[in-house]
Order: sequence, then C-alpha cells, then structure tokens
Amino acid sequence: AQTVTQSQPEMSVQEAETVTLSCTYDTSESDYYLFWYKQPPSRQMILVIRQEAYKQQNATENRFSVNFQKAAKSFSLKISDSQLGDAAMYFCAYRSPGAGNMLTFGGGTRLMVKP
Amino acid sequence: GAVVSQHPSRVICKSGTSVKIECRSLDFQATTMFWYRQFPKKSLMLMATSNEGSKATYEQGVEKDKFLINHASLTLSTLTVTSAHPEDSSFYICSASDQLNQPQHFGDGTRLSIL
Repeated sequence: AQTVTQSQPEMSVQEAETVTLSCTYDTSESDYYLFWYKQPPSRQMILVIRQEAYKQQNATENRFSVNFQKAAKSFSLKISDSQLGDAAMYFCAYRSPGAGNMLTFGGGTRLMVKP
Repeated sequence: GAVVSQHPSRVICKSGTSVKIECRSLDFQATTMFWYRQFPKKSLMLMATSNEGSKATYEQGVEKDKFLINHASLTLSTLTVTSAHPEDSSFYICSASDQLNQPQHFGDGTRLSIL
C-alpha cells in the first residue's frame, strides 16, 4: 500500500515571501499521480496543483510550483509571494492509476501567513 | 467545471437517530464516488468507495452496517449513518471524478454532530 508523509505539521511564512511544504511518499509503482490540495477554514477541498509521474517537468500554477524528485519519492510544494489567503491546511495526495481514482492523503501541513 | 454538491452542510441530531448525507455530481456522471471522514486538525480518512450499481467497498475498520452507502445512479451517492452516537460526530466529505484520470472534485462536506 502507498503511504504519504508530510513531516511538517505547521509552517509559517511572512506575507510576500516564499515557503516550501514537504511531501514524501512510498510506492513500488512507476506510473502514478500526485496532488496538492488546499483546505481553508471553510473546509472545502481545493485542488492546487497536480503532477503526472511520467512527466519530468515540474508542474506550475501561477504562484504555486512543485519540485518533483521521482527517485527520491519527494513532491514538495513551493508557494511564492505568499498571500494572506494562502493560509490553510495543505494536503499532499497520491493516486495510483489502477486504483479507480482513489486518493491516499498525507497528514497535512497547516500554513500560517503573517502580515 | 465539474461540481459536486453535498447536502446537508450541517446536521445536529439526537443519539440513536439515522442521518443521510447526499453527494451529487451536478454536471457530470460519476461511476465512482468516495466518502471520507475527517477529524479536527487531521487528514481525510477514506471510508469507502461507492460504485454505481454495485456494493460499496469499505476500508478496513469501517463498519458497513453502521455506514450504509448507496449509489443508485451515476449522479447520486448517499451515506447513511445508522443509529448514530456521539462518537460518530465528525466532518464527512464526498468526492467524485468524471473520468478515470481526472482529479477528484470534492463536495463541501457535512458537519455531523450527535448529541
């Protein structure tokens, strides 16, 4: 079974600065998908960014980018120019192509943004 | 974009009653939906995979007689918490995807409080 680990329960960043959230996973598969979801206080799950394992290029979405290191099984999220609205829980998730879209979530990282 | 509607958003009821939570895909068909439970400040825990027209697949440790799942159509899955007790109080979230390799879309969740 796959496992996803987020080693940082909480992180803090100053507004306008950059922060990196860590995620590692364990799998024996070669083809899979990785995601970062944001959960603000409203508790709605919002997809931030996704990465296909077969793609070497790191995914980017505006201020959000990932550092995908397949050999190291690492998938970190970088948030640039942090904004107050970025404050939320962030969950890293793994999906196996053979699992019917089932997601395995990490334990989450609470990001606080200081004005 | 794909929208998943979850209802109700909040329910408070007495111990011993049964509570039904609905999850609807509004603009797409979902052969598979997922039900998660989330404790305060914790990650999402997959409870079961709901398959249209067949029995749900429950994760280890989840009581299928306590948490009844029905997926009668391609746009609706329901979770019924039977004979609910205070320990069943939690945040329940559903998700669905329209295609096999597309990201899951989440409902807004249901906060269940059993008195």
